[in-house]
Amino acid sequence: DAGVIQSPRHEVTEMGQEVTLRCKPISGHNSLFWYRQTMMRGLELLIYFNNNVPIDDSGMPEDRFSAKMPNASFSTLKIQPSEPRDSAVYFCASSFHRDSPLHFGNGTRLTVT
Amino acid sequence: GENVEQHPSTLSVQEGDSAVIKCTYSDSASNYFPWYKQELGKGPQLIIDIRSNVGEKKDQRIAVTLNKTAKHFSLHITETQPEDSAVYFCAASPLNTGNQFYFGTGTSLTVIP
Repeated sequence: DAGVIQSPRHEVTEMGQEVTLRCKPISGHNSLFWYRQTMMRGLELLIYFNNNVPIDDSGMPEDRFSAKMPNASFSTLKIQPSEPRDSAVYFCASSFHRDSPLHFGNGTRLTVT
Repeated sequence: GENVEQHPSTLSVQEGDSAVIKCTYSDSASNYFPWYKQELGKGPQLIIDIRSNVGEKKDQRIAVTLNKTAKHFSLHITETQPEDSAVYFCAASPLNTGNQFYFGTGTSLTVIP
């Protein structure tokens, strides 16, 4: 079991640029989650999918953020245009079904200058 | 929605002593309570979980207790070791939320050799 795989591990970009974060969930898991972690706000749920369908995107901060899950093995989180306040660690997590534990990737550390 | 509070935010113990981290939750519908350990540069990893139909669960040096009436649950680590140093997060998952998790703000545990 390779676990949840995220790429890139680190991303440094300039304000205004588009950023795309990628996630491969654990095979067979039906739910996928995107979280953002900062010192000030802790772990924030941005969006989650069940069976590739977005269920709740109320945590997405602005229209600059979008997420897709074109198939069961891949998801992207896009920020366009990026701003310095988007700097954070972004985690992807997956779970087998409701009430089962989340399995997190190692995150993408995003720095927007 | 659910609100999870976690205390203390930082905790230092001598190696070999016990550490206790406490969380409270607000939604009586919550029925699943996992605990995660996050080491530097990594994603949170599940260390133990408990469901609302039991009051206590133990796994070697780690135990979790749940008091549904008082809406609080605790993590107990006995015989602490330096490798236990990390940030620990509690979480609560209410029924009928499509597998949503609400996280505490984290406890930074330092075990002093």
